[in-house]
Amino acid sequence: AQSVTQLGSHVSVSEGALVLLRCNYSSSVPPYLFWYVQYPNQGLQLLLKYTSAATLVKGINGFEAEFKKSETSFHLTKPSAHMSDAAEYFCAVSRNTGGFKTIFGAGTRLFVKA
Amino acid sequence: DVKVTQSSRYLVKRTGEKVFLECVQDMDHENMFWYRQDPGLGLRLIYFSYDVKMKEKGDIPEGYSVSREKKERFSLILESASTNQTSMYLCASSLSGAANEKLFFGSGTQLSVL
Repeated sequence: AQSVTQLGSHVSVSEGALVLLRCNYSSSVPPYLFWYVQYPNQGLQLLLKYTSAATLVKGINGFEAEFKKSETSFHLTKPSAHMSDAAEYFCAVSRNTGGFKTIFGAGTRLFVKA
Repeated sequence: DVKVTQSSRYLVKRTGEKVFLECVQDMDHENMFWYRQDPGLGLRLIYFSYDVKMKEKGDIPEGYSVSREKKERFSLILESASTNQTSMYLCASSLSGAANEKLFFGSGTQLSVL
């Protein structure tokens, strides 16, 4: 069975500081992995996805994530946080059980302090 | 860009009522999904559909049913609403059933059952 664990339900950083949001997955086969972002009062939108083409994946708004098979991790980073990055972030894995389904982690809320 | 529209942003219902949540997508997507979002639990899949009149149970289908009579419309039905169904409901769609496809989300319906 495939699942996703996000470490830390809340992360707080100062504006300009490094953002690191942690995600670990469990999968019996190489997975497809995603990061989605949810801004207040909106649905989720895709930040980036890993599909085995490259281990370092660049997404929108300066975010990137690195797939590390040995650590079963797919952590999300951004070198310099901006106030507009304050949102909830979800790591997700695509699961093939009678059709592909996307399974989400519990989410990490990012706070950015001025 | 793809637009996924959920008919209501906020909904208040009474215990025992039959509730319909409507979702429409405008890009001819094959797959549609209903998730519920609860704090600390992330998104959990209720039902999905990969074609008109086809439906598959997700991880938490109990107490829910769905209807997909037309390709663009996917309805979630709470046959007899209960207080534990108070939640944010998110509809999503994807072009096909490929594992590496991203989901497009609506803005969500916050349902309160009193």
